[in-house]
Amino acid sequence: QSVLTQPPSASGTPGQRVTISCSGSSSNIGSNSVNWYQQVPGAAPKLLIYSSNQRPSGVPDRFSGSKSGTSASLAISGLQSEDEADYYCAAWDDSLSGWVFGGGTKLTVL
Amino acid sequence: QVQLQESGPGLVKPSQTLSLTCTVSGGSISSGFYYWSWIRQPAGKELEWIGRIYTSGSTNYNPSLKSRVTISGDTSKNQFSLKLSSVTAADTAVYYCAREALVSGYYAFDIWGQGTMVTVSS
Repeated sequence: QSVLTQPPSASGTPGQRVTISCSGSSSNIGSNSVNWYQQVPGAAPKLLIYSSNQRPSGVPDRFSGSKSGTSASLAISGLQSEDEADYYCAAWDDSLSGWVFGGGTKLTVL
Repeated sequence: QVQLQESGPGLVKPSQTLSLTCTVSGGSISSGFYYWSWIRQPAGKELEWIGRIYTSGSTNYNPSLKSRVTISGDTSKNQFSLKLSSVTAADTAVYYCAREALVSGYYAFDIWGQGTMVTVSS
C-alpha cells in the first residue's frame, strides 16, 4: 500500500486531455510540493513536473501539474502516442523524513 | 552533463549483503546542494526510496529499511554506495541511483542512472 494514492490506469485517444490524480496526507502533499515522473517501459524515470506545477526545460507544455490541499494532479493535453508510460507522483513526507511515491498510473493511448 | 552509473552483482544469496556502487561523472558528489539517493523498483511495482547521502556526508534512510541500510560516499572515486544486509527475495528489484537537486528552489530527482537488476536467490 503506497503512501500516495494514484489510480492504477488511465487512458485516452490521441489529442484528448487526460488527468491523473495523486492523493496524500497533511504530512506529505499537504505540507510539501509534489513532483511527477514519467517512466517508459525498460527505462529509468524522468522528471516531468517539479514544485507541483513547474516543468523542467525540455518538457512540453502539454504537461501541467496542480496541487490543492492534500491532493495533486497531472494533466496531459493533446495526448500523443509517445505519452504512453507509467506516471508516478512523489513528495517529501515530514513524518517519515523521507520521500514517498505513488503506486504509479499506467497511461494507455488508445 | 552529469551522468550516473550503477554497478554491482546481479545475483545475491538470501541472508547476504547486497552491495551496489553508483559512479558519478561530469560532476562532484562533494560539492553543490545535492543529495545522492538510492531508489528501487520491484518488477511491475512502484518506486521505493531507500535513502540518501548529502554532499557533507550526512545520511537519511527510509524508516522501513533503516535497520539494514548503509549509504556511504567515496569522494576520491566520486562514487556513492549502498549496502543492504540480510536480504530476502522481497529485495529483488531494479536499483536506481539518482541525484536529488534543487530545481528552482525545490528538491527533485533530476538525474537518474539506468538502473541495475538485482535478484536475491540461492
